[in-house]
Amino acid sequence: QVQLQESGPGLVRPSQTLSLTCTVSGASMSSGSYYWTWIRQPAGKGLQWIGRIFTSGTTSYNPSLKSRITMSVDTSKNQFSLRLISMTAADTAVYYCARGGYGAGAYHASHDYWGQGTLVTVSS
Amino acid sequence: QSALTQPASVSGSPGQSITISCTGTSSDVGTYNLVSWYQQYPGEGPPQLIIYENSKRPSGVSHRFSGSKSGNTASLTISGLQAEDEADYYCSSYAGSNAEVFGTGTKVNVL
Repeated sequence: QVQLQESGPGLVRPSQTLSLTCTVSGASMSSGSYYWTWIRQPAGKGLQWIGRIFTSGTTSYNPSLKSRITMSVDTSKNQFSLRLISMTAADTAVYYCARGGYGAGAYHASHDYWGQGTLVTVSS
Repeated sequence: QSALTQPASVSGSPGQSITISCTGTSSDVGTYNLVSWYQQYPGEGPPQLIIYENSKRPSGVSHRFSGSKSGNTASLTISGLQAEDEADYYCSSYAGSNAEVFGTGTKVNVL
């Protein structure tokens, strides 16, 4: 059973940088036709796609956040990470990591496994 | 990259069928047969995938959930509505250039 777990600070000061890590267990990130995604959800609001990364290191980012995001992957640790600079109150949300699929044998462009989410609050 | 448009809420009585729409553009829903639907119980953790590639159900998902697409609009139908179906539902679509976009979300109320 694939499991994902987000880790990182629950509180970030305005203008500072958020760093989150997602640890994948139960399967190798490099196996199969999958990519790895960050998604966030402000309290009481909808889901927002932040971006995704393939194990090759290829990334795609939400255009509205692109100038502030960096994603990376460490397949030796079965982890991928999100870095979001210049945080503001508008970035307060639950941040989820998830597995996305492409190609044969996967749920194409869909997310079948998700972490439980981590609440990140931006406040001084 | 604008969010896909969903109705804020849809209501139905037990046993009835309801349909949730998800309207995008020719840049996302209209071009790609890659619409997914997720169910999320508020305050109870991450969404669960219930439909992928417009109309396919993952293993273990009830046959009461079905999906379709016409032009720039995708739809999720819940048949035989049950109390346990009361939740938030989100669509998503591939949007080209390795990007994805979610819908605004719909709250389903079981009367």
